[in-house]
Amino acid sequence: DAKTTQPPSMDCAEGRAANLPCNHSTISGNEYVYWYRQIHSQGPQYIIHGLKNNETNEMASLIITEDRKSSTLILPHATLRDTAVYYCIYLQGNTGKLIFGQGTTLQVKP
Amino acid sequence: GAGVSQTPSNKVTEKGKYVELRCDPISGHTALYWYRQSLGQGPEFLIYFQGTGAADDSGLPNDRFFAVRPEGSVSTLKIQRTERGDSAVYLCASSSGISNSPLHFGNGTRLTVT
Repeated sequence: DAKTTQPPSMDCAEGRAANLPCNHSTISGNEYVYWYRQIHSQGPQYIIHGLKNNETNEMASLIITEDRKSSTLILPHATLRDTAVYYCIYLQGNTGKLIFGQGTTLQVKP
Repeated sequence: GAGVSQTPSNKVTEKGKYVELRCDPISGHTALYWYRQSLGQGPEFLIYFQGTGAADDSGLPNDRFFAVRPEGSVSTLKIQRTERGDSAVYLCASSSGISNSPLHFGNGTRLTVT
């Protein structure tokens, strides 16, 4: 199964940037990295995905290292509503099947 | 626009009973996925449909679990002879089916087997 490694938990001060790391050393050259988050009692919410170039959208930025073995999700100005479990995943093969790990629990504090 | 809709949002059933969980994907999405999430764990893949056919059902835990998508839109996850260990949140997701397009999840059905 496609496997990523994330720290189990992180804290961030409200208004500061949250930088969430992920290791994916076994990723293949054509596999995209996806980030989702899950707030209690809701389904996972898509944030962003990328292949090798850095990506930015209205929610976050994704920085992927040149060797593609790791990436960082950046929430530029974290708010209390960003408190959630963040999952770093990559697509397995060509099925579109996402294999979730345990994720990182981000706690944004006032 | 409308997202993935799952009904019911909560279901309580007795051990041994049969249950059906429904998923309405985003309109036009050809790919549909079922996941199961136990407390404190990440979602676990169950089955994936491309159109009407199950392209990958490798995550179904045993033959008590079955899913259908007869017209390539709405899907039903069916669980026979429910057991207490089946209690979990069952999540549905859909995608456009285009390579590397993201999955969009519903809020799940919380199944409790008493």
